[in-house]
Amino acid sequence: QSALTQPASVSGSPGQSITISCTGTSSDVGGYNYVSWYQQHPGKAPKLMIYDVSNRPSGVSNRFSGSKSGNTASLTISGLQAEDEADYYCSSYTSSSTYVVFGGGTKLTVL
Amino acid sequence: QLQLQESGPGLVKPSETLSLTCTVSGGSISSSSYYWGWIRQPPGKGLEWIGSIYYSGSTYYNPSLKSRVTISVDTSKNQFSLKLSSVTAADTAVYYCATGATVTSSDIWGQGTMVTVSS
Repeated sequence: QSALTQPASVSGSPGQSITISCTGTSSDVGGYNYVSWYQQHPGKAPKLMIYDVSNRPSGVSNRFSGSKSGNTASLTISGLQAEDEADYYCSSYTSSSTYVVFGGGTKLTVL
Repeated sequence: QLQLQESGPGLVKPSETLSLTCTVSGGSISSSSYYWGWIRQPPGKGLEWIGSIYYSGSTYYNPSLKSRVTISVDTSKNQFSLKLSSVTAADTAVYYCATGATVTSSDIWGQGTMVTVSS
């Protein structure tokens, strides 16, 4: 069982917006602004999409945005495109001796 | 542009030590204040953080693996490595090396290398 909880799957139609949640505790998501989101296409390495809750690395589309409220972080993808279909993982720093925890991943299907 | 490439055996026998190397190109492993880490992904499953080493040499390990893991840097070869001892079938996974400015935000990844533990 993953330390961070994500929905197993979400779906949306092209052009729509979707939000993926990532729920932790006050020891990780809620306690630090060190939440990251990764996109992973089948057979490929993960790609950093959001870091430090809401920052986008250079080159990442502004259709991707991140936020946090309490112990839950969220990734929002607006204007869904077919190429957004992938697995998405959140991760967070944790004050436990684990240092870094991942969510179980969410499969995004673009209908 | 920094690039990472994993290398090592694709097959390891149970109880032996898994050894992987990540070669860094496009920059010096010792000149950047980066974290250099390893993440793995069992077939069909999610990501698991194994551990990281800071450019200063400080290491950080997943407690569930800590007793079996060593991450080190070889600045002369611009490489960092992973050693995981006493492997079992549960250690079968794609192993990625990655780097980033914080331990949680890896913005550069290797392509990954599949390691199977089997006799």
